[in-house]
Amino acid sequence: DADVTQTPRNRITKTGKRIMLECSQTKGHDRMYWYRQDPGLGLRLIYYSFDVKDINKGEISDGYSVSRQAQAKFSLSLESAIPNQTALYFCATSVPTGGADTQYFGPGTRLTVL
Amino acid sequence: AQSVTQLDSHVSVSEGTPVLLRCNYSSSYSPSLFWYVQHPNKGLQLLLKYTSAATLVKGINGFEAEFKKSETSFHLTKPSAHMSDAAEYFCVVGMNSGYSTLTFGKGTMLLVSP
Repeated sequence: DADVTQTPRNRITKTGKRIMLECSQTKGHDRMYWYRQDPGLGLRLIYYSFDVKDINKGEISDGYSVSRQAQAKFSLSLESAIPNQTALYFCATSVPTGGADTQYFGPGTRLTVL
Repeated sequence: AQSVTQLDSHVSVSEGTPVLLRCNYSSSYSPSLFWYVQHPNKGLQLLLKYTSAATLVKGINGFEAEFKKSETSFHLTKPSAHMSDAAEYFCVVGMNSGYSTLTFGKGTMLLVSP
């Protein structure tokens, strides 16, 4: 079984709808991250959490919110989806190992907002 | 502050020829540097990581990268390309700190022709 799972893998929704993307991990890592990937822009950090009680905004948090329900679960919500939130979304986890953390990625969720 | 620039958005090689993917970084502090690979419709996989040990870092699948502080570069190389190397490659920088996040380059698409 995959260590980092994301559900759903694909989602099509309409403008104005609320949507939640979920991430679960079995790696036992305290740190979790949400990114979005757009063609030609690489990955950009939306939110991150260094432990269950810690939530931090990333580079592009506007229009998004997160919930860290447990060590293993980190959800990303779009309160009112808009078309420019169409993207590939990745969840990642990490544990401190010396230097900057190596991050381990889930398979991604492809979101389309019509 | 930290940033990374991948100098080529696309690189095309023939199978069996060398691969060179170029990356320059900027960091106010001693950096950690990574290369990740993303195969089509897949998540990101770690190729290699530099912290502050040996400047030549060997990764998986025959890839290696050399940290050159004087040139602020961290180029990825492979002596002989294989068809399975066709993918998108991301250069990534992070601070050597227990609480840093990662900054991704925009990616280089490697195309391998027979």
